[in-house]
Amino acid sequence: ETGVTQTPRHLVMGMTNKKSLKCEQHLGHNAMYWYKQSAKKPLELMFVYNFKEQTENNSVPSRFSPECPNSSHLFLHLHTLQPEDSALYLCASSQEGGSYEQFFGPGTRLTVL
Amino acid sequence: QKEVEQNSGPLSVPEGAIASLNCTYSDRGSQSFFWYRQYSGKSPELIMSIYSNGDKEDGRFTAQLNKASQYVSLLIRDSQPSDSATYLCAVKRTGADGLTFGKGTHLIIQP
Repeated sequence: ETGVTQTPRHLVMGMTNKKSLKCEQHLGHNAMYWYKQSAKKPLELMFVYNFKEQTENNSVPSRFSPECPNSSHLFLHLHTLQPEDSALYLCASSQEGGSYEQFFGPGTRLTVL
Repeated sequence: QKEVEQNSGPLSVPEGAIASLNCTYSDRGSQSFFWYRQYSGKSPELIMSIYSNGDKEDGRFTAQLNKASQYVSLLIRDSQPSDSATYLCAVKRTGADGLTFGKGTHLIIQP
């Protein structure tokens, strides 16, 4: 595997389900990010982890819970989501947080029924 | 005021011509600027980064930054149909690790 990978690529879940999105980067980076891309809206930053420590939470509802066990892996745990949470969830990584270039994974297309 | 603004387009350019994409930002302290290309149904792909005033060239792409005017642009020379995509401008604002994105400009290169 190279670059940034994300699983699953597609996910359909009910509002009462609990699921997790997984991201793995193979670039030797130390910062990882979750972004949300909804139709008609700009890409929105959700969370930032730099050297495994969360450095940004962009006022994300608590039904989204991130986890970063090490610099290569990032998870987004989902529970009791709403239909308006349906979107493309993108993971990115960079050498460190800040001015470094960020590289995106392919994304997980989430549909909440 | 929107933090990062782009004309949503579509911007239609004939094949072989120069495509010019523009972006303005509101945070005067912003330090780093990035252009991403996103094809429909795909994730954003980094094209260029620029950190200081002036021009930066990479192949057919030139990024231009003017911090005094809070303006960044991307020029694509010899436009090809494969350049048809949405181009996203992203800015690292003061004190942030993550990026703030514009809505993107939809570019269409007409054969």
